[in-house]
Formats: sequence, structure tokens, C-alpha cells
Amino acid sequence: GAVVSQHPSWVICKSGTSVKIECRSLDFQATTMFWYRQFPKQSLMLMATSNEGSKATYEQGVEKDKFLINHASLTLSTLTVTSAHPEDSSFYICSPSGRVGGNQPQHFGDGTRLSIL
Amino acid sequence: DAKTTQPTSMDCAEGRAANLPCNHSTISGNEYVYWYRQIHSQGPQYIIHGLKNNETNEMASLIITEDRKSSTLILPHATLRDTAVYYCIVRVAFYKLSFGAGTTVTVRA
Repeated sequence: GAVVSQHPSWVICKSGTSVKIECRSLDFQATTMFWYRQFPKQSLMLMATSNEGSKATYEQGVEKDKFLINHASLTLSTLTVTSAHPEDSSFYICSPSGRVGGNQPQHFGDGTRLSIL
Repeated sequence: DAKTTQPTSMDCAEGRAANLPCNHSTISGNEYVYWYRQIHSQGPQYIIHGLKNNETNEMASLIITEDRKSSTLILPHATLRDTAVYYCIVRVAFYKLSFGAGTTVTVRA
């Protein structure tokens, strides 16, 4: 399967801090990147979709100014949680996709557990 | 995308086959059935997918009914490491996956 590297795997920081999460596709070019988050005991919820070189599309209820997504290259995308607060504590997971369309499966990073104190 | 219905939880014995059902009665002709699992504190792991025919790989088998309204994921010899939440997802051959609640599978020794 595809190799996806997500970093950091775990971060704790103070309220008001901005946190950057990196997602790399190591063996294919990710033209599209999906970012999900998962609260405890809940399922994954899609936050946003980004295409390389374009602005991200955010799902309803997700603040684009709070969750900044950069997808400047085909192998790296970043999610920055700006001025994080305790309610932003969650498990964030990226999923790069090499092509739009087709029936190939999506692969996922191992996630970043974010805890805001 | 078509919605799916899965049991909330199920137990199975180590070494036995685990059969996980999924109903997708509103599936469209061009939608695939995908199965993923999520082990605690990890990202989802792809298991298998299919359109009409039954599929088998090194991890599992996927049985899709002839009318495509339901499917079953079979883990042939469950191990303790198969304890996870299993998600059945249907989608068109596009790119966005939507996750439901899934089935929490507990494999017991």
C-alpha cells in the first residue's frame, strides 16, 4: 500500500498556540489531500479537501481561517491549527490521493493527536 | 454517496472466521464497496474493495450479494490484532470517503 507519513504523532500545547501538522506521501504524487478529524468515540469527519497549488475546500462548519491548509507540493501538505483552544483537541488524520477518479483505495496517515491545555 | 448500515459491535473468537455484515440498499450501479478498519489511535487501514464480484486478498474476503444491496467482510482466522472498528463505505469512483459509525469488533482469546 501507499506510504503516508504524518508528523507529529502527538502534541500537547498551551491554549492560544498555533500547531502545524505535516503529511507526506512518500511513494506517489498526491494531487489531492484530505484532512479529517476524529473526536473521542466518534467517527472520522472530513474537514477539508485540497488540490496541489489550489485553495482548500472546507466542509460545512469548519473554519477556514482557523484550520489553514497548505498544499504547495505533490508530496507535502500541512494543516495549521491557529490559536488552538481546548475544543480543538482531537485526532487529525491526513489522506493523500494520487488521482481524482478511479477505484483505487485511499490511504491514510497514522494521525496526530492534538491536546490543548 | 449511498449510506451503509452496520451492527454497532460484535465479538468473535480467536482463530474463528469473523463475518461482518453491511447493508447498502441504496447503492448505485457505479458505486464501489470499500472496507477499512481503524485500530485504536491509528489512521484507517484499507482492507479490500469491490464492485460486483467477490474479492479476496491476503487480509480478507468480500462477498457482495447479487443485487449489491449488502455485503459481508470475512476475516478467515481472526486474531487478537484484528480487534478494531471496521467501516463499510460505498462511493462512486471518485475520491471522497465518508465514514459512518462502523462496527466495533472484539476478538477474544
